[in-house]
Amino acid sequence: QVQLQESGPGLVKPSETLSLTCSVSGASITNYYWNWIRQPPGKRLEWIGFVYYAGSTNYNPSLRSRVSMSVDTSINQFSLRLTSVTPADTAIYYCAGWDGATHNFRFWGQGTMVTVSS
Amino acid sequence: EIVLTQSPGTLSLSPGERATLSCRASQSVRSSHLVWYQQKPGQSPSLLIYGASSRATGIPDRFSGSGSGTDFTLTISRLEPEDFALYYCQQHDESVLTFGGGTKVEIK
Repeated sequence: QVQLQESGPGLVKPSETLSLTCSVSGASITNYYWNWIRQPPGKRLEWIGFVYYAGSTNYNPSLRSRVSMSVDTSINQFSLRLTSVTPADTAIYYCAGWDGATHNFRFWGQGTMVTVSS
Repeated sequence: EIVLTQSPGTLSLSPGERATLSCRASQSVRSSHLVWYQQKPGQSPSLLIYGASSRATGIPDRFSGSGSGTDFTLTISRLEPEDFALYYCQQHDESVLTFGGGTKVEIK
C-alpha cells in the first residue's frame, strides 16, 4: 500500500521560506511524478508543481519565481521550498503522486496545514 | 490557463437518488486529461474517475463519467451514505494543471 507523509513546520513567518518534505513508502519513487498541491482556506485546490526522480521539474507559472522542488531517491523523499511567503500562502499542502500513464493523481498524502503569520 | 467551473456548488439529495455533477472548461480539454476526485471531510482527495470515463480501481459502478470538449459530467446513479462528499474535476494541458471549485453533495 502506497503511503505519502508530509512533514514540516506548521507556522512560517512572512518573507521567510516554507519548506516541506514528503516521504514515500510502498512505491518506487522512480515510477511516478511527485507533486505538491495546496488548498487555501475556502478556495480551490491549486497545483504547485512536480519533480521527477531524474530531477526534472515543472512549476505552476503563477508560483514559478518562488518555488523549487527536489528529490532524494536514496531515501524516497521529495521536497518543496517556497520563498518570500505571505499570508496568501496559508493553506493545506498536499504531496501527491502523478501517474503519467493514466494522467491522474493516484496517491495523496494526508495534507499538512501551513500558516503564514508573524 | 484553462478554468474549470463546477456546478452546482451544492447538491442536496437523499440516499438512493441520482446525482449529476457538471464540470465545464473555458477551453477544450482532451478527454484523456479530465479527472474526478472525491474528498471526504478531514481527508485528502482520492481518485474516482480518470480519462473522463474510466473508474479507478475499487470504485463501484454507480459512479460514471462522461463528456468531451468543454463539458464533462460525473453521475452517481444511486447515492449511498458514503457518497456524500466533495467532488472535484481536474485537467492538465501543456502548461498547467487546474482544478474546479468543487461540488458538495449533501444529505437532504
